[in-house]
Amino acid sequence: DAGITQSPRHKVTETGTPVTLRCHQTENHRYMYWYRQDPGHGLRLIHYSYGVKDTDKGEVSDGYSVSRSKTEDFLLTLESATSSQTSVYFCAISESLTEYIPGYTFGSGTRLTVV
Amino acid sequence: GENVEQHPSTLSVQEGDSAVIKCTYSDSASNYFPWYKQELGKGPQLIIDIRSNVGEKKDQRIAVTLNKTAKHFSLHITETQPEDSAVYFCAASSNWGAQKLVFGQGTRLTINP
Repeated sequence: DAGITQSPRHKVTETGTPVTLRCHQTENHRYMYWYRQDPGHGLRLIHYSYGVKDTDKGEVSDGYSVSRSKTEDFLLTLESATSSQTSVYFCAISESLTEYIPGYTFGSGTRLTVV
Repeated sequence: GENVEQHPSTLSVQEGDSAVIKCTYSDSASNYFPWYKQELGKGPQLIIDIRSNVGEKKDQRIAVTLNKTAKHFSLHITETQPEDSAVYFCAASSNWGAQKLVFGQGTRLTINP
């Protein structure tokens, strides 16, 4: 997807190890989000950021932390990966204006498997 | 918080027929309702959206309707084509500032030739 890149695209890791996923944008959008996608649950918000060093929790934030030290980068960290965190992770960006709310632009996703 | 329910979970239609996917939301403060299409191995892509001050919006073969009183909105695809086969997600947002979207569970649409 133009303007937003996720890395890695695929990762297999062992239970108990730390994992960091990266989202990089070139659109200079204010808002960045991390969602996870699981069958039967759609997309669920993990954490989001509304500016550099400004982050907040979503509905499924337990076991995850985030950081945003630059406008273009938003990192998602699993401090100690568990099998329940096996999922596809999507980053999204948006720019919110007063009267017009544009849709999100999503990255291509990171497929994480915890064994 | 907001809760979005989406039905059906799977839908199979003949090419050329119409497809309808329905969503309900719980928060009467929600004011923005986008629809996303996700193809295999890709991220969701916005296909159409509607705001609470509008009851219907069309874009070629795609239309979305919103009933604020009943708190439900629907996606209509007419003259379906094989390339319409994908997973579709509805979403709702009640937070103007952070624009947090709550998504439905998704509908896998299959167009049969």
